[in-house]
Amino acid sequence: GIQVEQSPPDLILQEGANSTLRCNFSDSVNNLQWFHQNPWGQLINLFYIPSGTKQNGRLSATTVATERYSLLYISSSQTTDSGVYFCAVAYNDYKLSFGAGTTVTVRA
Amino acid sequence: NAGVTQTPKFQVLKTGQSMTLQCAQDMNHNSMYWYRQDPGMGLRLIYYSASEGTTDKGEVPNGYNVSRLNKREFSLRLESAAPSQTSVYFCASSGGLGIINQPQHFGDGTRLSIL
Repeated sequence: GIQVEQSPPDLILQEGANSTLRCNFSDSVNNLQWFHQNPWGQLINLFYIPSGTKQNGRLSATTVATERYSLLYISSSQTTDSGVYFCAVAYNDYKLSFGAGTTVTVRA
Repeated sequence: NAGVTQTPKFQVLKTGQSMTLQCAQDMNHNSMYWYRQDPGMGLRLIYYSASEGTTDKGEVPNGYNVSRLNKREFSLRLESAAPSQTSVYFCASSGGLGIINQPQHFGDGTRLSIL
């Protein structure tokens, strides 16, 4: 299967700061998704983004499929942004392979 | 709009006991999935069902069985629970057939401890 590496593993931010999370993958993909797991364990789909750029409020994501990476941008971070961010890529029509995640802590 | 509903939310079992985790979705999705999440790791696919009447193995299927009861429901069964199966289990669904061009939607998880 495809290898998915996320960096950094941990990130501590002061409220209001901006940050960038990175996802590298080892092979061509036809599906890439970003998820946020909140401190209560719920997994929320943030973006479906196999290529290009998308924005949703203070969050945006860019995937450069030809170079096998994706970036998730958090601007003006808030304490509610805390949690674990996962990148997941598809290696066939039905299977997503997840990275180990980036744990984000936003301090007030 | 409930989305993906999992029951139970918490469960403690003794080694060797059996149990079934239930999952139902109300989004008319074709594909459903079961994952497990262990501390410090991403999710790993146990089984999936591309459409009603079909099931297939994922990365870590040993020790589990599944049933796609109908389009809405997809259950996961542990026949003889082992401590290594202590984990958080997530059910997910996606529209269309598979995940091409489709985001996945997750339930809130079942926290399972096996003593």
